[in-house]
Amino acid sequence: EVQLVESGGNWVQPGRSLTLSCAASGFTFDDYAMHWVRQPPGKGLEWVSGISWNSGSIGYADSVKGRFTISRDNAKNSLYLQMNSLTDDDTALYHCARVPSPEGTNGYWYFDLWGRGTQVTVSS
Amino acid sequence: DIQMTQSPSTLSASVGDRVTITCRASQSISTWLAWYQQKPGKAPELLIHRASTLESGVPSRFSGSGSGTEFTLTISSLQPDDFATYYCQQYNSYWTFGQGTKVEVK
Repeated sequence: EVQLVESGGNWVQPGRSLTLSCAASGFTFDDYAMHWVRQPPGKGLEWVSGISWNSGSIGYADSVKGRFTISRDNAKNSLYLQMNSLTDDDTALYHCARVPSPEGTNGYWYFDLWGRGTQVTVSS
Repeated sequence: DIQMTQSPSTLSASVGDRVTITCRASQSISTWLAWYQQKPGKAPELLIHRASTLESGVPSRFSGSGSGTEFTLTISSLQPDDFATYYCQQYNSYWTFGQGTKVEVK
């Protein structure tokens, strides 16, 4: 089955760090660029970060630039998001998503497969 | 940044109704627009890309139109499975989403 499954979400205090993972299955992972999209409680969707198939091209939203780091391990069919200096505004459901292209880190591609998400709650 | 504005925020409808959701971009995005459906606790699902191209497997009652700054998603005859929240997304320059339209039972 073609799917993306996120994990690693948790409750953390402001200023702390957390790393999310996304496990891909059912397709050739290194044929695709991958992204993280988040959804704050009761709100809409916000693009967070994206990475090309070979990690050669990476992009971040201004709201997380300098704090979050995206990476991938094609041998493990996995995508990661390391999140540092977390604030209350980072509280959200974090989805990983696929674009139907090996590149696609600054636009011109939509997301054709999504995971259900993993919940990150930042609170003291 | 390109802002996306959807209307209405909530839409009350009955099975069999024709439903139209509008999305407006703050600047021209040509046809770099997608529509997604999301149900509670589920992953968003792609319905339409390039403003009017139906994703494989999506029922033909869904259609999209528009270009530039004005776009619409139409459900020709609302089915029980269609009660959900719908999002538009521009991908002309990075990615931004509309705030969502919840289609609820009238």
